[in-house]
Amino acid sequence: KAGVTQTPRYLIKTRGQQVTLSCSPISGHRSVSWYQQTPGQGLQFLFEYFSETQRNKGNFPGRFSGRQFSNSRSEMNVSTLELGDSALYLCASSLAGRTNTGELFFGEGSRLTVL
Amino acid sequence: KQEVTQIPAALSVPEGENLVLNCSFTDSAIYNLQWFRQDPGKGLTSLLLIQSSQREQTSGRLNASLDKSSGRSTLYIAASQPGDSATYLCAVSPFSGNTGKLIFGQGTTLQVKP
Repeated sequence: KAGVTQTPRYLIKTRGQQVTLSCSPISGHRSVSWYQQTPGQGLQFLFEYFSETQRNKGNFPGRFSGRQFSNSRSEMNVSTLELGDSALYLCASSLAGRTNTGELFFGEGSRLTVL
Repeated sequence: KQEVTQIPAALSVPEGENLVLNCSFTDSAIYNLQWFRQDPGKGLTSLLLIQSSQREQTSGRLNASLDKSSGRSTLYIAASQPGDSATYLCAVSPFSGNTGKLIFGQGTTLQVKP
């Protein structure tokens, strides 16, 4: 069974540009969550999508947005990039059903560098 | 506001030693607690998940305990090996339900010396 797949793995952008990251969850998983990891702030929750709807949102500016498609694949977008957006962006998927344990499975991440 | 703290931030031990990593959280109303491992530049690997109604979980040389009333969890690693060297992260899921939102600690970076 394939794990969580994130693309691209590495990318370099300049300030002011925008970026789109993609995440394919484990087959059958309907919940996709996004996290930002930086050396200073650690792992911070961005948002979660379930059945194409945003279910939870962290404390990030509106430049950070996401969406989920009918096949549960998700994308996140960051507009008007700032130097501080340089980070490892991690995607996680889970079954998220009422009887489920809630265990999250993470991808390898997308390493974004903003110059 | 839920806060998760991990102590120590870094730990270096000789191979073969048994060790304990600590995690504390401020709000006992949690859905579950997960321990993860992260190798440098990589994603997170789930090690153990403890439901709020459980006291401990075991997998191989790993044992995780949960004491909700005191807001503490420990990860016990038996007979440590150099391959155990990594950053270990503790995360709690708020009691709002089974969602993908986790609150993470800053992690403990473990080095096991041969």
